[in-house]
This record gives sequence, structure tokens and C-alpha cells, in this order.
Amino acid sequence: KAGVTQTPRYLIKTRGQQVTLSCSPISGHRSVSWYQQTPGQGLQFLFEYFSETQRNKGNFPGRFSGRQFSNSRSEMNVSTLELGDSALYLCASSLVHSGNTIYFGEGSWLTVV
Amino acid sequence: SQQGEEDPQALSIQEGENATMNCSYKTSINNLQWYRQNSGRGLVHLILIRSNEREKHSGRLRVTLDTSKKSSSLLITASRAADTASYFCATDSLPVNSGGSNYKLTFGKGTLLTVNP
Repeated sequence: KAGVTQTPRYLIKTRGQQVTLSCSPISGHRSVSWYQQTPGQGLQFLFEYFSETQRNKGNFPGRFSGRQFSNSRSEMNVSTLELGDSALYLCASSLVHSGNTIYFGEGSWLTVV
Repeated sequence: SQQGEEDPQALSIQEGENATMNCSYKTSINNLQWYRQNSGRGLVHLILIRSNEREKHSGRLRVTLDTSKKSSSLLITASRAADTASYFCATDSLPVNSGGSNYKLTFGKGTLLTVNP
């Protein structure tokens, strides 16, 4: 069974630009969540999607958004990039109910210059 | 805000020794999971322990959970150089307004384990 796939793995953007990151969950998994990891703040929850609906959201500004498609694939978008958005963005998938293991992808490394 | 706090922040041991990492959390949880992260890579799931379980084993891993103390520990026995990584605990607690089908993980800042050959 293929794992969680994230693309792109590495990207460099300029301040003010926007970026879209993609995530394909494990087949059969309907819940997709996103996390931001930085040295200073550690791993922080961004949002979770299930059945194309955002079910839960972390404490991030509105510049961070996401969506989920009918095949459970998900994208997250960051607009008007700031230097502080440089981070490893991790996508995770799981079966719907609490208590199931959450599996992570390898992440997308975003550098904002 | 961080729910889990791992202790110690860094741990250096020799191959063959045991490594123990601790995690404390603040609010009631449904489950607690431990993850490993090699430098620059994604998180690898190690073990999940439910709130009604006290101990769980998986290979060289042993996890305990004490909900009365809001703490968990991860023991890696007979460590290997390949165990060198950061280890995170993550708690799973349903948001107040959830319908029972959505949740999020709250991570600690991790323990950096170095196993010297």
C-alpha cells in the first residue's frame, strides 16, 4: 500500500508570492490533516479535512487555506508568503475516527526568501 | 500551544544501552502516539496507546501511559545507531465542538536521541 505522498518535496519562493502544496493520502483514508514544523514552534496543527469539509482548524492566519477533493486528495495554499512561513509542511492521513493511527508523508520543504 | 512536553530534550547513549523518553501532557486525551523523525524527513509512526491502556509493546519499544499523572514514557531497548532520531509524543483529544469524527494531534517539542556506535 502506498504511503502518504506529498509534492513538491522542496521549493523556494519569494516573499509576497503564493504556494500550493499537494497531498495524496493512503488509499481508503478519508481524513487529511496538515501540520507546519519549524525549529522555533515545533509541530503545529494547521487544519483537517474530511469529505471535502474542513473539520478543524489551528491558530494560523487566513493566508493559510486548504481544500480536499472528492478522491480525498488535499491541497494547502499559503498566500502572500512571509519569511516566517519557511518550514516543513507535513500532511497526514488516517481513517476517520479518533483512535486510528495517523500516517505522515515526507513533507514539503518551503523556503521563503 | 504545546500539549505534550518531552523530557529530556536531548539524550546521548551508547549502542546497546536502553533509552527512555518521557512525555507529559495537560488535558484529557483519547490516545497518545509516539513518532520518530529522522533529520529532514517525515514522521514515522511507532506506537499508539489508548487512554484505557497502561502499557504496550512493539518489538524493542515499550510504551507506558499513566493518565492520572498525565504522562507517558517510551523505552527503546538495546538501542542501535539507526535509532538516532527525534522522538515526539502526540496526544489526540477531540475538540469540544466535534461530532466525534474529527480530531487533531498536538505534539511536544521532541527528544533528540543520539546513539553512538
